[in-house]
Amino acid sequence: EVQLAESGGGLVQPGGSLRLSCAASGIDVSNSYMTWVRQAPGKGLEWVSVIYSDGATYFADSVKGRFTISRDKSNNTLVLHMNSLRVEDTAVFYCGAKRELPLYFNHWGQGVLVTVSS
Amino acid sequence: DIQLTQSPSSLSASVGDTVTITCRASQGIRNSLAWYQQKPGKAPKVLLYRGTTLESGVPSRFSGGGSGTDYTLTISSLQPEDFATYYCQQYYTNPPLTFGGGTKVEIK
Repeated sequence: EVQLAESGGGLVQPGGSLRLSCAASGIDVSNSYMTWVRQAPGKGLEWVSVIYSDGATYFADSVKGRFTISRDKSNNTLVLHMNSLRVEDTAVFYCGAKRELPLYFNHWGQGVLVTVSS
Repeated sequence: DIQLTQSPSSLSASVGDTVTITCRASQGIRNSLAWYQQKPGKAPKVLLYRGTTLESGVPSRFSGGGSGTDYTLTISSLQPEDFATYYCQQYYTNPPLTFGGGTKVEIK
């Protein structure tokens, strides 16, 4: 059974940084397609970033240049580094996984809340 | 970027009803479309992919249709556990992956 567990959320001031983690079991993060999707309060789903099994990374325009995505192979964990955070980044962040293409996601974590506020 | 427009944004229905949600893409996506169900406070759950293929374990009352730019999700004989918000997602192009705005299915 695949399980994903996000952590690292919390309250941060505008301009600050935060590191989200997604610990995985039952799936090899390094050989899968892993994504971050967020949901602002009361809003819909917004794709944030994806890392391919070959290491290629892609970002939504809204976070490009501020967020990075990576994998911690030793801990089988997906990581999202978020810099220069804005009030509009406030959201629940979900990690998702899929072992192979195509890029829809059939495994999800429970989500972690990021609040950007002064 | 491919935009996805879902309609309606919300609907009210009764248990046992059949409901249909539409997802229109801004350009053809060749059935590269998934549908998700999301309940409050929970992660999305994939229902269908490739426009019409049911994910393992999903009840057969969920079905998908369409081609080109226009796709539908139909829920036949609505059950109490089906009241939720539904999203379409295209994976024809990346980046970006895109989601529709969502359709909230409420109890009448």
